[in-house]
Amino acid sequence: DVKVTQSSRYLVKRTGEKVFLECVQDMDHENMFWYRQDPGLGLRLIYFSYDVKMKEKGDIPEGYSVSREKKERFSLILESASTNQTSMYLCASTKSISYNEQFFGPGTRLTVL
Amino acid sequence: SQQGEEDPQALSIQEGENATMNCSYKTSINNLQWYRQNSGRGLVHLILIRSNEREKHSGRLRVTLDTSKKSSSLLITASRAADTASYFCATPQTGANNLFFGTGTRLTVIP
Repeated sequence: DVKVTQSSRYLVKRTGEKVFLECVQDMDHENMFWYRQDPGLGLRLIYFSYDVKMKEKGDIPEGYSVSREKKERFSLILESASTNQTSMYLCASTKSISYNEQFFGPGTRLTVL
Repeated sequence: SQQGEEDPQALSIQEGENATMNCSYKTSINNLQWYRQNSGRGLVHLILIRSNEREKHSGRLRVTLDTSKKSSSLLITASRAADTASYFCATPQTGANNLFFGTGTRLTVIP
């Protein structure tokens, strides 16, 4: 079974803190994704990566950065957390582009106070 | 840049009834996928239908795709309380590596 794990299920941080969210997949997938999910807005893509050290901006990259130093690990970084970044963050991975399903982690619910 | 839109936003049915959710999208696609999300969890892939397919079955799930109307439907037959979840359709972004997800249909199955 494909497994995508995220470092925390729940996280509480203060405004201005640097926040790291980590995602690890064990199926040698090339593509990895970070989404945020907010009520009424569905899933919005923040960043994705199609290879080690490669990254592409999604629809809402502002306030975020990412790191992909190893194929299995994709990190989302909030350089200076703000209250409007309180959200559910979902990581996903997939083997190829169009015909393969995305496998999701359990999500991290981040609260920024 | 969201492409998929599900309808209805929320649906409440009795256990044993069928549930139908619809998805509309805007541009040409090569496949459409449906996902389920239990409350507070990640999404789980249910079924993928390719653009040259009109209907696909998986257990109690039946998906249809009408590319001329740019729409898809997900039917869950003989629903169970465990089917209570949010259901999302997703379509690949043209020329890119990611999927567009709709805002989802929240299904409640009452025991």
